[in-house]
Amino acid sequence: DTGVSQDPRHKITKRGQNVTFRCDPISEHNRLYWYRQTLGQGPEFLTYFQNEAQLEKSRLLSDRFSAERPKGSFSTLEIQRTEQGDSAMYLCASSPESAVNQPQHFGDGTRLSIL
Amino acid sequence: AQSVTQPDIHITVSEGASLELRCNYSYGATPYLFWYVQSPGQGLQLLLKYFSGDTLVQGIKGFEAEFKRSQSSFNLRKPSVHWSDAAEYFCAVGAGDYKLSFGAGTTVTVRA
Repeated sequence: DTGVSQDPRHKITKRGQNVTFRCDPISEHNRLYWYRQTLGQGPEFLTYFQNEAQLEKSRLLSDRFSAERPKGSFSTLEIQRTEQGDSAMYLCASSPESAVNQPQHFGDGTRLSIL
Repeated sequence: AQSVTQPDIHITVSEGASLELRCNYSYGATPYLFWYVQSPGQGLQLLLKYFSGDTLVQGIKGFEAEFKRSQSSFNLRKPSVHWSDAAEYFCAVGAGDYKLSFGAGTTVTVRA
């Protein structure tokens, strides 16, 4: 169990630029989740995948956000035309298919700062 | 929809003293409840979970939590805190599906 891996750990960019984050889940986990955490708040659900299928997207995920998991392994989260309000920690988590009895395991997150 | 309230934003406790963090949830059916801990700049680590059965659950690092359905609560406790317990603690509820709803967190400071 190598844990959930996220890359990069930190990203600083100018407003209006596009950014892409990567998440590698625990290898045998076929569910993958993205959360966003702003300062002083708990994580908020953004979207989740079962294998390569994206099964739900939160209303927090505007049209500028897109997530993919093309082969059911790693996932990417892209933000286009970044805005100041996108500054946050983006957390990825994974779990086995039977998520009811299995907790989600989180990565260390990608901290995004918009200048 | 489910929700979680953590009434205490910040708690300061002396090393060796006991700690209790409060969590209240709102959900119509039997919830799945979790406590996670987050150190600065890090992701979330699972401390313990409750799905069913014994309402007193034991977790890692000497933590325990008690589920009280009548009070819609899932409070976290530790008998004797260590300086390394200084962190942010999050209570979360799952509704039997795929996503967790988190509280806003409680920051714990440990003084020597």
